[in-house]
Amino acid sequence: NAGVTQTPKFQVLKTGQSMTLQCAQDMNHEYMSWYRQDPGMGLRLIHYSVGAGITDQGEVPNGYNVSRSTTEDFPLRLLSAAPSQTSVYFCASSIRANGELFFGEGSRLTVL
Amino acid sequence: EDKVVQSPLSLVVHEGDTVTLNCSYEVTNFRSLLWYKQEKKAPTFLFMLTSSGIEKKSGRLSSILDKKELSSILNITATQTGDSAIYLCAGAGTYKYIFGTGTRLKVLA
Repeated sequence: NAGVTQTPKFQVLKTGQSMTLQCAQDMNHEYMSWYRQDPGMGLRLIHYSVGAGITDQGEVPNGYNVSRSTTEDFPLRLLSAAPSQTSVYFCASSIRANGELFFGEGSRLTVL
Repeated sequence: EDKVVQSPLSLVVHEGDTVTLNCSYEVTNFRSLLWYKQEKKAPTFLFMLTSSGIEKKSGRLSSILDKKELSSILNITATQTGDSAIYLCAGAGTYKYIFGTGTRLKVLA
């Protein structure tokens, strides 16, 4: 099993560009989520999904969109990148909401 | 507003010492408390606690939840340099996980 796979691992964007961070899991988990991690701020929840077709906002959703068309995939879209979105992004999944979270390896995004 | 507070923010100890990390939480519809260890990359799972007063153990690590005090502790005995990491706790509500900022532990040889 690959677990939770995130791509790309590193990305540099210019302000205003758009991009999608990909996340896929092969554990048949219903719950998937995206976090950003900034120095001194811990992990902050961006968006989450409790199943295909169902998504909701977390603590810091502004500037990010998500969709969940399949159980396996949960992409995170930045429509118009801003320097404040420079961060490390983690995707995580769980067999159910509030269960053990399994994390991907992270994606480091820099917005110039 | 939901929040999770960890203390201390950082800690430096010598090999063989015992450390206690603290986590307090205020999470709507609280379901579980989770502990993770983060070294260079992704957080790795340590414990999930749902019942108050029941200690979970794994080798030199143990953790306990106190639902009355809305808190949890993570104990590490006989610390080793490999225990150096950031330790994160998270409170899980119905659908959301709220993470603390972590405790950075450094173990000196």
